[in-house]
Amino acid sequence: DQQVKQNSPSLSVQEGRISILNCDYTNSMFDYFLWYKKYPAEGPTFLISISSIKDKNEDGRFTVFLNKSAKHLSLHIVPSQPGDSAVYFCAASRTTSGTYKYIFGTGTRLKVLA
Amino acid sequence: GAGVSQSPSNKVTEKGKDVELRCDPISGHTALYWYRQSLGQGLEFLIYFQGNSAPDKSGLPSDRFSAERTGESVSTLTIQRTQQEDSAVYLCASSFGGPDTQYFGPGTRLTVL
Repeated sequence: DQQVKQNSPSLSVQEGRISILNCDYTNSMFDYFLWYKKYPAEGPTFLISISSIKDKNEDGRFTVFLNKSAKHLSLHIVPSQPGDSAVYFCAASRTTSGTYKYIFGTGTRLKVLA
Repeated sequence: GAGVSQSPSNKVTEKGKDVELRCDPISGHTALYWYRQSLGQGLEFLIYFQGNSAPDKSGLPSDRFSAERTGESVSTLTIQRTQQEDSAVYLCASSFGGPDTQYFGPGTRLTVL
């Protein structure tokens, strides 16, 4: 049972335009969400997080939106740059369980075209 | 170094052999995680250590998999009697615990022939 889903395996965007990466989850108990970026042959690196008490968090070019009723979050990158080309993973956790175990999605490969 | 390190970076083994993968977390990080990423798949949670608490082993796929952690330092992931389906990149991450950001190592690519 895939509790965190990224239904788009890949996305291509022109440089300077907006990239929107989507993530859906099934467990309504998840209350903390993160996005990670991964380059080939490297470990994932943290991008941005959001708690379920918020519906938006912004950090520079990156904004994460959370729609709890739809169990959906999205990552917006504006403007997109060629260096943003990577695989993006969303992850979710139920922090009230005390274990802080993260469930990751399958990733979306973003390609930003120059 | 300041980051999470893992060794070896690559491991090729024959089916049926045991392997040990090592993770050195960031100093001071109380939480340590193991994940694996199979070809074309996402990150699959394996095990989570938090301080002196009993580890969360709920992600280990079979009893051939085990992990140990010495205090709040090094961790080893052991796979016994390896199978071809164990081939994957094994990633370790550490954090200060709680919902804090996890910092990942570069991973160990395991190939079982």
